[in-house]
Order: sequence, then structure tokens, then C-alpha cells
Amino acid sequence: GIQVEQSPPDLILQEGANSTLRCNFSDSVNNLQWFHQNPWGQLINLFYIPSGTKQNGRLSATTVATERYSLLYISSSQTTDSGVYFCAGETSGSRLTFGEGTQLTVNP
Amino acid sequence: NAGVTQTPKFRVLKTGQSMTLLCAQDMNHEYMYWYRQDPGMGLRLIHYSVGEGTTAKGEVPDGYNVSRLKKQNFLLGLESAAPSQTSVYFCASRRGGNQPQHFGDGTRLSIL
Repeated sequence: GIQVEQSPPDLILQEGANSTLRCNFSDSVNNLQWFHQNPWGQLINLFYIPSGTKQNGRLSATTVATERYSLLYISSSQTTDSGVYFCAGETSGSRLTFGEGTQLTVNP
Repeated sequence: NAGVTQTPKFRVLKTGQSMTLLCAQDMNHEYMYWYRQDPGMGLRLIHYSVGEGTTAKGEVPDGYNVSRLKKQNFLLGLESAAPSQTSVYFCASRRGGNQPQHFGDGTRLSIL
């Protein structure tokens, strides 16, 4: 299966700062999703983005499929953005492979 | 619209006991999945199903069995629970192969 590498593993920000999270894949993916796991453990779908760029409020994501990476941008961060951000990719066979996540802490 | 519902939310078992986790989705999705999440890690796929009556092994299938007798339900069974199966279990579903997966809220399982 594919390998999914996320960076950085941990990130601490002050409220209002911007950040970029990165996800690298060992092989080309045909599906890619970003999730936010909140402090209660719930997995929230952020983006389904196998290629291109999408935006949703203060969050946006870009996937460059040919170069096997995806980026998640968080602008004007808020304390409610804290949690773990996961990317997950799929090559074939209906299997999502998750990275180990980026732990984001936003301080007031 | 409830989405993906997992039952129970919490459970404590003794080593050797058996139990079944239930996942129900009301979105008429074809594909369903069971994952486990251990502390500090991403999710790992246990078993999955691409349609009613089908099941397939994922990355970490040992010690688990599954059944998909009805399209809307996907059951995960532990026949003889072991402490190594202490984890948070997530169910997910999706409409088709090139569609996003939608997750339930998880089941926290502790095995003593």
C-alpha cells in the first residue's frame, strides 16, 4: 500500500496566525481527503480533493496529483481549529490510507 | 438525516469476552468500512465492504470478523477480545469508489 507522510507533526499557533499543513504520498492517488479530528474525537470531513484547489471559509486545500502532495491552508486561525488534522489517500481497491496527523494547538 | 451511526459509544470488556459493534448508515451508500485508531496514530483499516453480502480484509483484520447482511448495516465482531484490541473504532461509508468517506463518531472500546 501507499505511504502517507504528514508534516509538521505538531504545530502551535497564536490565534489569528496562518498555517500550512503538508501531506506527501509515496504513489499517485485517485482519492484524497482531509479531516479534522476535534478534541471530542469526532472526524470532520474538510475536503475531498483528489486534484486542484478548493476553499471553504478560512480553510483551503490544494492537491498536486502529479507531484504526489497536498496542502491544507488555515488562515486567521481560531482556538476552535485546535485538534488533529489527517490526510488520507487512496490508490485503488477502495482503501484509504491515513497519515499520522498534525496536532494543531491554537492559543488565545 | 443521521448519517453514520455507531452503537455502542463506549464499552468495557474482559479478556475473552465477545461483542459486536454495529454501524448503520441511512444514505444508501454501497461501501462501508471499519477502522481502528490507536493513541497518537492515524486510522487503520480492519475490514470493508463494497456492497451488500460482500466483505474484504483491510490492513489489520486479525481477531475481527464482519458481516454485511443488509446494505445499511455493517457489523464488526470480536470473538475473543484481547487487550491489544483496546482502541477507538470508526465506521465509515461512501456512495461509490470515487466519492468521499463519511465517518461515524466512533466507539471507544476498552478490554481489561
